[in-house]
This record gives sequence, C-alpha cells and structure tokens, in this order.
Amino acid sequence: EPEVTQTPSHQVTQMGQEVILRCVPISNHLYFYWYRQILGQKVEFLVSFYNNEISEKSEIFDDQFSVERPDGSNFTLKIRSTKLEDSAMYFCASSETGTGMANTGELFFGEGSRLTVL
Amino acid sequence: DQQVKQNSPSLSVQEGRISILNCDYTNSMFDYFLWYKKYPAEGPTFLISISSIKDKNEDGRFTVFLNKSAKHLSLHIVPSQPGDSAVYFCAANSGYALNFGKGTSLLVTP
Repeated sequence: EPEVTQTPSHQVTQMGQEVILRCVPISNHLYFYWYRQILGQKVEFLVSFYNNEISEKSEIFDDQFSVERPDGSNFTLKIRSTKLEDSAMYFCASSETGTGMANTGELFFGEGSRLTVL
Repeated sequence: DQQVKQNSPSLSVQEGRISILNCDYTNSMFDYFLWYKKYPAEGPTFLISISSIKDKNEDGRFTVFLNKSAKHLSLHIVPSQPGDSAVYFCAANSGYALNFGKGTSLLVTP
C-alpha cells in the first residue's frame, strides 16, 4: 500500500541552527501539507502546497519556515533558525484531491519527524 | 483559536462495549468532518468521514453522527476491541486545511 515517508524520524539540533525535514508523498498525489504537533497539544496546520507553490499557510508559518519540492518526489520543510518552541512532531501529508470545498479532505500522513531543539 | 474541541482527553471502555468519542466545533461553514486514529510513533490514519449535509455515516464497527444544530459530532465504535486503543482525532475541513481537535485517548480493556 502506498505511503508517505518522512526522514529523519528524530532530529536533535541546537537553537539557531537550520533544519530540513524531508517527505516523499504518495506518488500520484498532487496536494502536500505540513502539520505539527507540540507535545500534549493539537495537530496544527502549517502549510499546503499545490502546483509548485504554497496554497495556504497558517500564522505559525512565518519567515523562518519554507517549503520546497526540489524534484518530482521530495517535499521539504526548512526551518531557518530554530527556536526552542519549534520542538514538535512534524507531519507531512499528501492528498489526491486536496481539502477544497466539496472534497472530503482525506489526507494521508507520514509517521512524523520529531524535532528537538536544545 | 480552537475551532474543533475534544473535551475528553481520555476514555476507558471494556472490550465488547460501545466507545463514544465526542467532538464540538464552532464554525458552521465546515464542509466535511473526519475522524483519524493515531497509534504511538505513527502518523494519523483516516478512519471515517461525514459530509455536513448528512447526519450519519457508518462503516463496519464505526459510525459517525453529526448534529449540526448543536455543532456536535460523535464517533461510535461497536463492539470495541483492544486493538482500537489509540488516540482519536476529530478534524474539520475548512476548505483549505483540516482543523484538528486535541484528541481523545481511548483505552479498551480486555
């Protein structure tokens, strides 16, 4: 069964360092997402990506964050200068139809990348 | 800004009984509602969804009920099995993203 894969599974970094989290979405999916979950809190939307550009982003997704689809398979999330509060589980998700109106909005999630900022 | 709320952080149910997980929302413009299940060290996996124009959707042991006037939905699992023990997230499709609740941890005891 096709799945979304994420690397690394866990990354520990020093505050101020740059981090890149990688995702390989399901191959025929066109819509890509990053979500995060801070320990004990809800899963929060960061950004959606379609047709090689950002479709939507939340207020969490500030200038320190960027996303890229550098080739036909990878989808990356970069945090330029990490802060302590960036420590969270980051989930990549993909969808065939997206979350637009009249679509169910079913997303397929990866297993997550745990980021620990010290 | 909590548009989707799951007020019970945890629930314990005996095997064979019914599990009822609740979710409330504030935005009447949500189009679809979804339930996701999450095991430790795994990503959320889709379980069942319901359109805002329906009041019930059933899939095997899982049924989701939607009460639009009360802005409330619930997930019923009958009969509950130990393998159902997981965190259940309610989510609402706003048209550009899924808004998740904080989750309810379900424990099904033998």
